Amino acid sequence: DTGVSQDPRHKITKRGQNVTFRCDPISEHNRLYWYRQTLGQGPEFLTYFQNEAQLEKSRLLSDRFSAERPKGSFSTLEIQRTEQGDSAMYLCASSEKNYEQYFGPGTRLTVT
Amino acid sequence: AQSVAQPEDQVNVAEGNPLTVKCTYSVSGNPYLFWYVQYPNRGLQFLLKYITGDNLVKGSYGFEAEFNKSQTSFHLKKPSALVSDSALYFCAVRDIGSSASKIIFGSGTRLSIRP
Repeated sequence: DTGVSQDPRHKITKRGQNVTFRCDPISEHNRLYWYRQTLGQGPEFLTYFQNEAQLEKSRLLSDRFSAERPKGSFSTLEIQRTEQGDSAMYLCASSEKNYEQYFGPGTRLTVT
Repeated sequence: AQSVAQPEDQVNVAEGNPLTVKCTYSVSGNPYLFWYVQYPNRGLQFLLKYITGDNLVKGSYGFEAEFNKSQTSFHLKKPSALVSDSALYFCAVRDIGSSASKIIFGSGTRLSIRP
């Protein structure tokens, strides 16, 4: 499968714990995006990488959130001290240049 | 600021009938418009895009969309609906004010096709 993959698919954690998600983009895509989707809403942009550089971050990305793409390939999104409001689907997408974005299956986070 | 609006939360259509899912946009400059579909517990799948050229854009699974500049609309259409088309559909626009070319999504329209 050469699409975008994300791991894990589901994560249940207790409030206050840290969680980390991984995204593997389509191999030839140099652009990688993270979005967050809550129930009944469209995805909202969180952050963007071009190769290994994080070039844009949304105001939605509080200081508890950090994302990396150390070698310009896979990316990780970490949430520290999780809160119940962090419960959502976290989507990763990749694209080539300014073309359409291809999305992974998402990681569903539930904070109890 | 760029935005899209999907005025219908839900659209119900009988199998075999034509379907339309509505979308209007607000952009400064030329719009880059997209339609995505989301099946339960799945990520979004790209259906089609409009960047320039013909106003009628053909995409995956028999879907097409009509770009109408005067009405600032980009409605998704299919001549004959299938039960398997039942899903959540998102209209989206590329944010040209962003160096990231991030996508701004509408709130989604749930399409339900009854047998």
